[in-house]
Amino acid sequence: DTAVSQTPKYLVTQMGNDKSIKCEQNLGHDTMYWYKQDSKKFLKIMFSYNNKELIINETVPNRFSPKSPDKAHLNLHINSLELGDSAVYFCASSQEGAGGRSTFYEQYFGPGTRLTVT
Amino acid sequence: DAKTTQPTSMDCAEGRAANLPCNHSTISGNEYVYWYRQIHSQGPQYIIHGLKNNETNEMASLIITEDRKSSTLILPHATLRDTAVYYCIVRVEGGGADGLTFGKGTHLIIQP
Repeated sequence: DTAVSQTPKYLVTQMGNDKSIKCEQNLGHDTMYWYKQDSKKFLKIMFSYNNKELIINETVPNRFSPKSPDKAHLNLHINSLELGDSAVYFCASSQEGAGGRSTFYEQYFGPGTRLTVT
Repeated sequence: DAKTTQPTSMDCAEGRAANLPCNHSTISGNEYVYWYRQIHSQGPQYIIHGLKNNETNEMASLIITEDRKSSTLILPHATLRDTAVYYCIVRVEGGGADGLTFGKGTHLIIQP
């Protein structure tokens, strides 16, 4: 069984459109993340979220918003897509312990969604 | 999180040990050393982590110098499937929900 899954794997869309990427984890983790990997292969955290708080990387435009319908899902919504949004987006999850400190050191990553904006 | 420095790329012959160095001279006392790798077109994968003692698991060994300013990831018998970008990351225990800060990593190429 896939631990962290993302859909779609590929997404091609035009500038100005609104799109969503879905992420699901079946590990029972309580913290989920979104990362962006650009064309130069730099991997950067965008959001982390658990039932307590949403932490947003200050460089992320407010056109990006995470939505969590339940503990196992963290979807990424992107409004008014721009050419610069083209990248691979990775979802990840981990378990966070009491006091806001992770008891597990591993983050499990999904396979990625390659977004191409034309 | 402390900054790390890694070589941009390395080659290793298949079947030999691959030794990947990482400098983290500004590491704090409560920061761990983590290693992840990213195989082409896949998501990053956790390998190993440590604080100050050497660590070994089924994937690799981690050697941390006594002053903790550098470390070496060792893949004892490299295979072609170990070709990947390897990231050395330092962060506090668990790190909370603030995500991982990836640098440029080392592109390890295993030669047949």
